[in-house]
Amino acid sequence: ETGVTQSPTHLIKTRGQQVTLRCSSQSGHNTVSWYQQALGQGPQFIFQYYREEENGRGNFPPRFSGLQFPNYSSELNVNALELDDSALYLCASSPGGLAGQAEAFFGQGTRLTVV
Amino acid sequence: AQTVTQSQPEMSVQEAETVTLSCTYDTSENNYYLFWYKQPPSRQMILVIRQEAYKQQNATENRFSVNFQKAAKSFSLKISDSQLGDTAMYFCAFMTTDSWGKLQFGAGTQVVVTP
Repeated sequence: ETGVTQSPTHLIKTRGQQVTLRCSSQSGHNTVSWYQQALGQGPQFIFQYYREEENGRGNFPPRFSGLQFPNYSSELNVNALELDDSALYLCASSPGGLAGQAEAFFGQGTRLTVV
Repeated sequence: AQTVTQSQPEMSVQEAETVTLSCTYDTSENNYYLFWYKQPPSRQMILVIRQEAYKQQNATENRFSVNFQKAAKSFSLKISDSQLGDTAMYFCAFMTTDSWGKLQFGAGTQVVVTP
């Protein structure tokens, strides 16, 4: 089991609402990446934060936003929720540097259901 | 565009037997990493094995080994002496050195180990 923790584990929201998901990175890791995994599919990259700055973004609309804090924990915010946002949201942390990016450790995910 | 293809939705194997999962990818990059991740029902994505594209030698981790064919852009995973705890979804993933931290995943292969 890794040191990456995500909260909450499960969440039910209504369409149009806003949601915040949280991730605590593993000790010593300064990079956090977020992924969306729809049912029966592989994870899709949302964005990455490195030392509190966004450092790459996948094909997701601006209503998906994030933050990284000085302790390297991170939040994923989704505004104006849509039914298709229902998915497992995975957070991965990794050490800094080039080689470190190939050592991502994942949390257990947050299951978001939009009704 | 870079893609990862896993053509086997599900594989069944008996305990102690061997199973091979296939993965092909498409990229124009020369420097990249390939990964196999395991996702059990607990949902946490666990790294099984990693291969650096510049290394010709195939990676091995205990009962897990890969067959990396760079020219064919093929990266298969062999699970030897299968155990019940190997039952999980297995994802092939890919990351280039110019998109550090952004893992691109295939659709996954469900492995079921039977007694």
